[in-house]
Amino acid sequence: NAGVTQTPKFQVLKTGQSMTLQCAQDMNHNSMYWYRQDPGMGLRLIYYSASEGTTDKGEVPNGYNVSRLNKREFSLRLESAAPSQTSVYFCASSGLPGGLNSRNEQFFGPGTRLTVL
Amino acid sequence: GQSLEQPSEVTAVEGAIVQINCTYQTSGFYGLSWYQQHDGGAPTFLSYNALDGLEETGRFSSFLSRSDSYGYLLLQELQMKDSASYFCAVRDSNYQLIWGAGTKLIIKP
Repeated sequence: NAGVTQTPKFQVLKTGQSMTLQCAQDMNHNSMYWYRQDPGMGLRLIYYSASEGTTDKGEVPNGYNVSRLNKREFSLRLESAAPSQTSVYFCASSGLPGGLNSRNEQFFGPGTRLTVL
Repeated sequence: GQSLEQPSEVTAVEGAIVQINCTYQTSGFYGLSWYQQHDGGAPTFLSYNALDGLEETGRFSSFLSRSDSYGYLLLQELQMKDSASYFCAVRDSNYQLIWGAGTKLIIKP
């Protein structure tokens, strides 16, 4: 089991360029998430997909789009990169939400370190 | 608004005990989680409290008081490998996690 994988690991873009970050999980999880983490800060949710075929905005969706390609894959696209999007991007997945006592653990990929010049 | 407050940095000595506090103010509450993140790494799950009280997992324990909107992570018998950032996160009504800014734990020999 590879868990959650992300590509690429590092990327440098120029302002205005576009790119897609790829994420895949092999744990048969229903829910997938994209976060960004800026230095000294917690994770902020960009978009999430509660199940295959659905996507919803998180806290900071502006400048991003997502695609839940199938149950395994969830991609994040930057259409026109800006320096403010320089960050570390984490993809995560989790199983069915379960009840109150379900810990709903999220499993994270290794991250993509993106720099926009 | 929704917010979680935790200290930005805590320093402790190897072998000692340290407590990392977290207070939260969120529109919905369905549990408090703790995650560990080493420098350059991804967050990994440590513990989850849905009900008041203490949950123990080896050297780590986590406590929750819903009436006080407060929780803490307790690390015992500190080891150098415990040097990391620790995040509290609240599970809201949409099953999403709202994250604190993290506490950097520095351990001295």
